[in-house]
Amino acid sequence: NAGVTQTPKFQVLKTGQSMTLQCAQDMNHNSMYWYRQDPGMGLRLIYYSASEGTTDKGEVPNGYNVSRLNKREFSLRLESAAPSQTSVYFCASSEAGQHRYEQYFGPGTRLTVT
Amino acid sequence: GENVEQHPSTLSVQEGDSAVIKCTYSDSASNYFPWYKQELGKRPQLIIDIRSNVGEKKDQRIAVTLNKTAKHFSLHITETQPEDSAVYFCAGAGGGSYIPTFGRGTSLIVHP
Repeated sequence: NAGVTQTPKFQVLKTGQSMTLQCAQDMNHNSMYWYRQDPGMGLRLIYYSASEGTTDKGEVPNGYNVSRLNKREFSLRLESAAPSQTSVYFCASSEAGQHRYEQYFGPGTRLTVT
Repeated sequence: GENVEQHPSTLSVQEGDSAVIKCTYSDSASNYFPWYKQELGKRPQLIIDIRSNVGEKKDQRIAVTLNKTAKHFSLHITETQPEDSAVYFCAGAGGGSYIPTFGRGTSLIVHP
């Protein structure tokens, strides 16, 4: 099993450009998440999808959109990139429910916006 | 919602010493507290977790303790080794939400 995969690994954008970060998981998990990681700020939730067909905002959703394409795939789109969106982006997945909370993270995408 | 605070932000120890990282949480309904380790340039990975019906859990050199009354929990690493050098994140979840809220992380540096 590959677990959680993300593409691309690195990306440089100019202000105003758009891009989509791709994420896929092969663990048959219901829930998927997008986080951003900035120095000293921990992992902040951008959007999540509790199950196929649903998406909800997290702590820092402004400037982003998401699509839960199917149970396996969850993409993050930056419509008009800004320097403040320079960060490392992690996708994660988990089972949902009362007794299963462990999150499995992808390898991350390092994004620089100039 | 849940608020998790983590201290210290940086911890430097000598190889063989013990290391303790502390977290507090705000939501008394939280009942699941995982710890993730992130090595440089890598993804966060779960190393240990504890649920609110347990006060302490051990796994070899690492242990986690939970004080529900005071709403704090701690990670203890004994006999530290250079490969323990990483950023450690605590988190809290449960109650009305299965989504964990993460602390800001502790950078642990173990000097040989």
